[in-house]
Amino acid sequence: QLVESGGGLVQPGGSLRLSCATSGFNFSNFWMSWVRQAPGKGLEWVGQISRDGGEQYFGGSVRGRFTFSRDNTKNSLYLQMNSLRAEDTAVYYCANEGSGTTFVSWGQGTLVTVSS
Amino acid sequence: DIQMTQSPSSLSASVGDRVTISCRARQTITSYLNWYQQKPGKAPELLIYATSTLQSGVPSRFSGSTSGTDFTLTISGLQPEDSATYYCQHRATFGPGTRLEI
Repeated sequence: QLVESGGGLVQPGGSLRLSCATSGFNFSNFWMSWVRQAPGKGLEWVGQISRDGGEQYFGGSVRGRFTFSRDNTKNSLYLQMNSLRAEDTAVYYCANEGSGTTFVSWGQGTLVTVSS
Repeated sequence: DIQMTQSPSSLSASVGDRVTISCRARQTITSYLNWYQQKPGKAPELLIYATSTLQSGVPSRFSGSTSGTDFTLTISGLQPEDSATYYCQHRATFGPGTRLEI
C-alpha cells in the first residue's frame, strides 16, 4: 500500500513537500517514482530515486526545482517541490518500480494546486 | 525522451466486443512496454508489463503484443468495468491515452 499526503494550495513560487508512506512490501528493495497528472490530462513521469537514495533522475519540466528523498527506516518517500508554477498543478502519485521502470503499485494520489 | 503515440484517442464499444488499442514508439525500443488502466478519479493500475505479461490479478481477456515499433493492447469480450482510459508507457514516457467507453 502507498499513501501520499501533503498536497494542498500553494502560491506560485512557493514550496511544498509531499510524503508517500508505504507498507506491504520491502521498501528498501525498490526504486521509487513520482508521476503526476494535471487536471483532465495524461500521465507525466516526474522522476525516480534509487533504492538507497544515491541516484535521482528527473523529468525535464521539474529538473532543478524538485528533489526526492527517502527514509528506508520509515518506509517513506518524499518529494520536495520548490519554485512552484501554475503548470505544476496536478495529482501527484508515488509508485514502486519493477524491472524496466514499470510502475507496479500506485498510491491514491494527492492534489497540488498552485494558484494565487 | 522517446515519444509515444496511441490510437485511437477514444473509442466506443459494446459488451462482448473485441477492441485493440495501438501504441507506437518513434524509434525502436526494448520490450519494456507497459499498459495501465485508469478509471475516473482513481490511480492508474498496471495491466500488462514487458509487452505481453499480465500483471497478477488482471483478467485473461487482456493481452498485449508487438510488431516492431507497434504495440497493441487487446481486450477480448469487453465487460462494463473495462470503461477506462488506457495508457502505454516506456521508461520515462507515457502515451497520451485512449479513452474506452462501453
